[in-house]
Amino acid sequence: DIQMTQSPSSLSASVGDRVTITCRASQGISNYLAWYQQKPGKVPKLLIYAASTLQSGVPSRFSGSGSGTDFTLTISSLQPEDVATYYCQKYNSAPRGFTFGPGTKVDIK
Amino acid sequence: EVQLVESGGGLVQPGGSLRLSCAASGFTFSSYWMTWVRQAPGKGLEWVANIKQDGSDKYYVDSVKGRFTISRDNANNSLYLQMNSLRAEDTAVYYCARNRDYFDCWGQGTLVTVSS
Repeated sequence: DIQMTQSPSSLSASVGDRVTITCRASQGISNYLAWYQQKPGKVPKLLIYAASTLQSGVPSRFSGSGSGTDFTLTISSLQPEDVATYYCQKYNSAPRGFTFGPGTKVDIK
Repeated sequence: EVQLVESGGGLVQPGGSLRLSCAASGFTFSSYWMTWVRQAPGKGLEWVANIKQDGSDKYYVDSVKGRFTISRDNANNSLYLQMNSLRAEDTAVYYCARNRDYFDCWGQGTLVTVSS
């Protein structure tokens, strides 16, 4: 089975900072990767799919990149409303299975 | 507006059963795969099961195979998860989601607690 890892597991940054989260697959998954944001006590929300396609309505300060095994989610200018846990998810073996990364918790310094 | 509303969660004893429901509106339900995802308290997200548009294909995470059954009723725009032989480790918030390989719309979740 392909395993997903994320780094860091948590980070604290200042408002306006550029934040980068990394997701790594143990084997290549092409661009079959999505990113989700889950604010405290809320429902997960799709941010990005196909590694770099922004979901409709998501602010342009969010961007995704990567292919194969290494992927990044970037917040170009961190805002207070971005405090959340961010999960990556692979879907290269859809519909037979889906795997989420362990999550990265983002706080404001 | 796309809406997914789960119901049916609650407290159940180990070994017991529960049936979750998800009512869909705002989109053509019969055109989409649908999925259940769960989140144990303080933990990450785990895909549980999904079902094809016409119900002919279903897939499950290994930990629930043989215990959980996903089903749907396209006439009533509803998704279900029958959960049998429940274990403490099944305790989680269960979300239904619209499945486009990625999950683009989620319900608010329903909490299932398995405890004696």
